[in-house]
Amino acid sequence: EVQLVESGGGLVQPGGSLRLSCAASGFTFSSYEMNWVRQAPGKGLEWVSYISSSGSTIYYADSVKGRFTISRDNAKNSLYLQMNSLRAEDTAVYYCAREIRGKDAFDIWGQGTMVTVSS
Amino acid sequence: QSVLTQPPSVSGAPGQRVTISCTGSSSNIGAGYDVHWYQQLPGTAPKLLIYGNSNRPSGVPDRFSGSKSGTSASLAITGLQAEDEADYYCQSYDSSLSGSIFGTGTKVTVL
Repeated sequence: EVQLVESGGGLVQPGGSLRLSCAASGFTFSSYEMNWVRQAPGKGLEWVSYISSSGSTIYYADSVKGRFTISRDNAKNSLYLQMNSLRAEDTAVYYCAREIRGKDAFDIWGQGTMVTVSS
Repeated sequence: QSVLTQPPSVSGAPGQRVTISCTGSSSNIGAGYDVHWYQQLPGTAPKLLIYGNSNRPSGVPDRFSGSKSGTSASLAITGLQAEDEADYYCQSYDSSLSGSIFGTGTKVTVL
């Protein structure tokens, strides 16, 4: 079964750090571009970051640029999001999502992991 | 700031047809980038409904259809069913952001 499973969410104080992980299974992870998408409580979807299949190309939303770092380990079939200098407005469910090759559409999503930034 | 605008809500009786619009700009939909649609049931992750403007992934009923014209796109749901009650989001690529952009979201209510 094709699956993405996120982990690493939790409660963190403003200014703190957190590292999210996304474990992929059931497909050739190294062949796919991956993304992080978040959803604040009661709000819409917001794209956060993109990484190419090899990890050589990376993009970020302006709202997280300079604070978040996306990475991947194809040998471990895993995607990561290192989040530093966290703010209250980063509170959200974070989803990892697989991109259909060449289409910019996200066909497989994880169940999400909740990040709460609060003192 | 780039944004894809959707109506906050649409509603219809069972069996009816509803449409959801997604209006962008010259840096996203108007630039020729594809539009994709997602359905999000309460408490669950989004599910891909339409990709590449009008293509349905395997398993998505043909009651769902998508189209694109100019700087806008639309999702149509025909034969509305109670299980279609959910939030729907459009998505495209934006050249000014060098990344994806989601629509503001539309809640579909089945009366």
